[in-house]
Amino acid sequence: EDQVTQSPEALRLQEGESSSLNCSYTVSGLRGLFWYRQDPGKGPEFLFTLYSAGEEKEKERLKATLTKKESFLHITAPKPEDSATYLCAVGINAGNMLTFGGGTRLMVKP
Amino acid sequence: DSGVTQTPKHLITATGQRVTLRCSPRSGDLSVYWYQQSLDQGLQFLIQYYNGEERAKGNILERFSAQQFPDLHSELNLSSLELGDSALYFCASSSDTGELFFGEGSRLTVL
Repeated sequence: EDQVTQSPEALRLQEGESSSLNCSYTVSGLRGLFWYRQDPGKGPEFLFTLYSAGEEKEKERLKATLTKKESFLHITAPKPEDSATYLCAVGINAGNMLTFGGGTRLMVKP
Repeated sequence: DSGVTQTPKHLITATGQRVTLRCSPRSGDLSVYWYQQSLDQGLQFLIQYYNGEERAKGNILERFSAQQFPDLHSELNLSSLELGDSALYFCASSSDTGELFFGEGSRLTVL
């Protein structure tokens, strides 16, 4: 069974304090690893897709990396506006739907 | 703005009732997905339609059903509602590249 596990469940950072979020996955036939940001009461907002081990993508203060078993979302010098829940999801070759992890709730204090 | 439109945004109803949630996908997207998000279970895949036909089914209860119409909008019907059905229901549509783009959700409260 496909499984996606995110850690930590919650993370408190001071503004400017860099850190990483982890997404571990067990799937048969990875089609892609997806990162989303979700603000309270809103729909998930697409950030990145990673397709193969070693791939990296960046957007502003966020950088996503992928290995054969996990993905990391690195946040460099975060700002309070980066506070949100970050979700990772896997897509498998057998279908187009995504299986989501439980998310990491990030809180950045000024 | 993802381009996916969901109505209503909020819905309050009583146990045993039936509700219909509506979704319009992004222009040009043929696939529509429905997800349920509750506090204790995260985002759970319910069902996918592609160009009017059911393509995949997840953990969707028998009391729930969905359809996609010729104009590609989709409806999720929830019947015999229970307290535990209270959740955010999201619709998403996808392009050929596989990313899902989500609407703002419909918050259902069952009293």
